[in-house]
Amino acid sequence: GAVVSQHPSRVICKSGTSVKIECRSLDFQATTMFWYRQFPKQSLMLMATSNEGSKATYEQGVEKDKFLINHASLTLSTLTVTSAHPEDSSFYICSASRGQWDTEAFFGQGTRLTVV
Amino acid sequence: AQTVTQSQPEMSVQEAETVTLSCTYDTSESDYYLFWYKQPPSRQMILVIRQEAYKQQNATENRFSVNFQKAAKSFSLKISDSQLGDAAMYFCAYKGTGNQFYFGTGTSLTVIP
Repeated sequence: GAVVSQHPSRVICKSGTSVKIECRSLDFQATTMFWYRQFPKQSLMLMATSNEGSKATYEQGVEKDKFLINHASLTLSTLTVTSAHPEDSSFYICSASRGQWDTEAFFGQGTRLTVV
Repeated sequence: AQTVTQSQPEMSVQEAETVTLSCTYDTSESDYYLFWYKQPPSRQMILVIRQEAYKQQNATENRFSVNFQKAAKSFSLKISDSQLGDAAMYFCAYKGTGNQFYFGTGTSLTVIP
């Protein structure tokens, strides 16, 4: 149980376009989802926390207008990278939590975004 | 904010031998959880082992065990009988009373045949 599916696993987009990444909890309701960015050989950097039905909370330094997060249901959160630039190329990972009491993070497979 | 420190960017171990990865953390909370996650080349994060701070007994999962020293805020991972499939990035993580996980900078483990 507790499977998180992230889609797509890889995406290449042109500079200036937008790309949407989906994070779905397949067999549980995720009240909270987290979006991370990971640079090569580095740790996971938390970008934002999204709670179902409310606005996402962004970490300091993360542009809200560039990285749009929507958590419309208890099983789906989306991250849209708007007006993508080559510097947005990175590995993005989502994780889902069943609640504040949850003692484990369930991760998606990650999305490698390349902006050309 | 809580901090998690992994002081070994890279480690290597001979196949079948034992290796220990270090992790220290800083917190003022008394109730929390500690984790070791493995990230193989596929980049999928995999939970290796979890420790509840209120438990004195060190967690063990087959070849993986931890040495949890609460007073010293230390949480090391021991991998016994290392296998080629253990090669990966290993991240130490902390979760307190909130929802957020805090990750260390990772240790890249190489297993030498």
